[in-house]
Amino acid sequence: EVQLVESGGGLVQPGGSLRLSCAASGFTFSSYWMHWVRQAPGKGLVWVSRINSDGSSTSYADSVKGRFTISRDNAKNTLYLQMNSLRAEDTAVYYCARDLAAAGTGTFDPWGQGTLVTVSS
Amino acid sequence: DIQMTQSPSSLSASVGDRVTITCRASQSISSYLNWYQQKPGKAPKLLIYAASSLQSGVPSRFSGSGSGTDFTLTISSLQPEDFATYYCQQSYSTLLTFGPGTKVDIK
Repeated sequence: EVQLVESGGGLVQPGGSLRLSCAASGFTFSSYWMHWVRQAPGKGLVWVSRINSDGSSTSYADSVKGRFTISRDNAKNTLYLQMNSLRAEDTAVYYCARDLAAAGTGTFDPWGQGTLVTVSS
Repeated sequence: DIQMTQSPSSLSASVGDRVTITCRASQSISSYLNWYQQKPGKAPKLLIYAASSLQSGVPSRFSGSGSGTDFTLTISSLQPEDFATYYCQQSYSTLLTFGPGTKVDIK
């Protein structure tokens, strides 16, 4: 069974940093592009970032570019999101999601359960 | 960025009703359109990819159609477990974007 389990969320002050992790199992992690998607409380879904299968290519939403860094450790089957210079508007549930196909389609399936990040003083 | 809009933003329907949700892209996205279902407190679930392909395990009462800029998600006979929020998402451009969502609740 494909499983994605996020961790690392919590309360952080504005300007602070946090690193999220997503542990993957049940599939060949190193073959798939991976994504982070977030959802502010009561709001819609927003794509944050993606990384290709070997980690050599990344993309970011304009709202996080220069502040967030996506990375992966294929030996550990783990995806990361390093978040720096956090703002109140970064408060959200952060989901990791696998790409539907190994080729990288920009389609999200499946999703993890999410981890809540709260940026507040 | 490609902007996605959905209509309606919410709707009330009864079990057994046929429900149609519309999604529009700000430019042509060919068939690079996906639909997700999200229930409160849960992660989204992929229903339809590439505009009209039903994801494995998704009931056949869900269907998708459209290409270019205009797309629809249809639920042929609404079931109690279908009350949820539905999002479209374009996968045409590198910067991926979602629609604002359509909440389907019980009439």
